[in-house]
Amino acid sequence: GAGVSQSPRYKVAKRGQDVALRCDPISGHVSLFWYQQALGQGPEFLTYFQNEAQLDKSGLPSDRFFAERPEGSVSTLKIQRTQQEDSAVYLCASSRTEGRQPQHFGDGTRLSIL
Amino acid sequence: AQSVTQPDIHITVSEGASLELRCNYSYGATPYLFWYVQSPGQGLQLLLKYFSGDTLVQGIKGFEAEFKRSQSSFNLRKPSVHWSDAAEYFCAVGARNQGGKLIFGQGTELSVKP
Repeated sequence: GAGVSQSPRYKVAKRGQDVALRCDPISGHVSLFWYQQALGQGPEFLTYFQNEAQLDKSGLPSDRFFAERPEGSVSTLKIQRTQQEDSAVYLCASSRTEGRQPQHFGDGTRLSIL
Repeated sequence: AQSVTQPDIHITVSEGASLELRCNYSYGATPYLFWYVQSPGQGLQLLLKYFSGDTLVQGIKGFEAEFKRSQSSFNLRKPSVHWSDAAEYFCAVGARNQGGKLIFGQGTELSVKP
């Protein structure tokens, strides 16, 4: 597609449920990033992939958060045993390579935990 | 530690007036610098970027920014604001040796008076 696509756009889950958020990057983009944006805040880095390799997961808040990109294109961010503090917008971004290349963002998934 | 500070949480300007949004960063070397804009419910759109060279960079929608190493600043400017510029603006630092992950400021919300 023309841009980064994220699904679902909105997700409501009960505390304790598991959720999975999907990101379709721009075709051919090597690098893929996940960010978490709390209400009224700037996005915060979660994790980074180069092709299928997860090179940096230093921003994942806990071991309940898991991300994968098995074939180097589509990525899934999974959150297990969700908690209310997980409520946020989750943004995915991709770039052609790393570093100097600007990141193109999707519209995000708004996750609400009840 | 790397950080980005946007001192102004909310700015209101009249349509047609000039605009300057402030951004200060903390980084051990010369960083990659970006400005993004976010409309409600949308992802982030890149306005402009600085990697090296000319310290005055031009972006889309008539925006420009100037990198001042001595002040660790990268302020965004526009000579004449349009009502459609009302949005949230984020300054970001890209870590050169960390895959290009972005560190964002908290954002500045811009309102435009008719």
